[in-house]
Amino acid sequence: SYVLTQPPSVSVAPGKTARITCGGNNIGTTSVHWYQQKPGQAPVLVIYYNADRPSGIPERFSGSNSENTATLTISRVEAGDEADYYCQLWDSSSDHRVFGGGTKLTVL
Amino acid sequence: EVQLLESGGGLVQPGGSLRLSCAASGFIYTNYDMTWVRQAPGKGLEWVSVTDGGGVRTYYADSVKGRFTISRDNSKNTLYLQMNSLKDEDTAVYYCAKDGCSGTSCWDHWGQGTLVTVSS
Repeated sequence: SYVLTQPPSVSVAPGKTARITCGGNNIGTTSVHWYQQKPGQAPVLVIYYNADRPSGIPERFSGSNSENTATLTISRVEAGDEADYYCQLWDSSSDHRVFGGGTKLTVL
Repeated sequence: EVQLLESGGGLVQPGGSLRLSCAASGFIYTNYDMTWVRQAPGKGLEWVSVTDGGGVRTYYADSVKGRFTISRDNSKNTLYLQMNSLKDEDTAVYYCAKDGCSGTSCWDHWGQGTLVTVSS
């Protein structure tokens, strides 16, 4: 089955830019979605179709996807962005939906 | 306003069964695929199962295939997950989620989750 690989943790200072990667074989040929999950809460969709933002998600959140890596970029990081982030896609070959292992974003 | 409310979680012994429900409101329920996602304590998200708007096409993660059954009652705007032959590793918070990306499966609304604990 399709595997998505994320770094377990990323640390960034407030006001700086955080980049969270999601690796997969030819991932650039499909749509990747990103979720933010804070402790004790349900996940929230922050990026869909690689780079689109749902209403209510700040413009500081952006996404890209090319070749073997999708990336979630958070600009001007704030303390409130500290959370776990998951990438996800639909594997059309199996009709399975797949999550990456998740990345814990720490704001220093 | 879209609302998803799960229920039915609890403590069950290994080998036992449980049925989860997810009551939906605030959108045209039959127009959307619905999904179950779970999260074991301290672990990441795991997709469990999905059904299309008519409840005809269903898909399962390998870890639950043959033991879990997803279904929906569109007259009641309710999604179900029948879980049989439960194992310790099925212990998790179970979320229902509404599809938000036609054709590529993303989830734009989630319930608050219901905890299932499998233990003797």
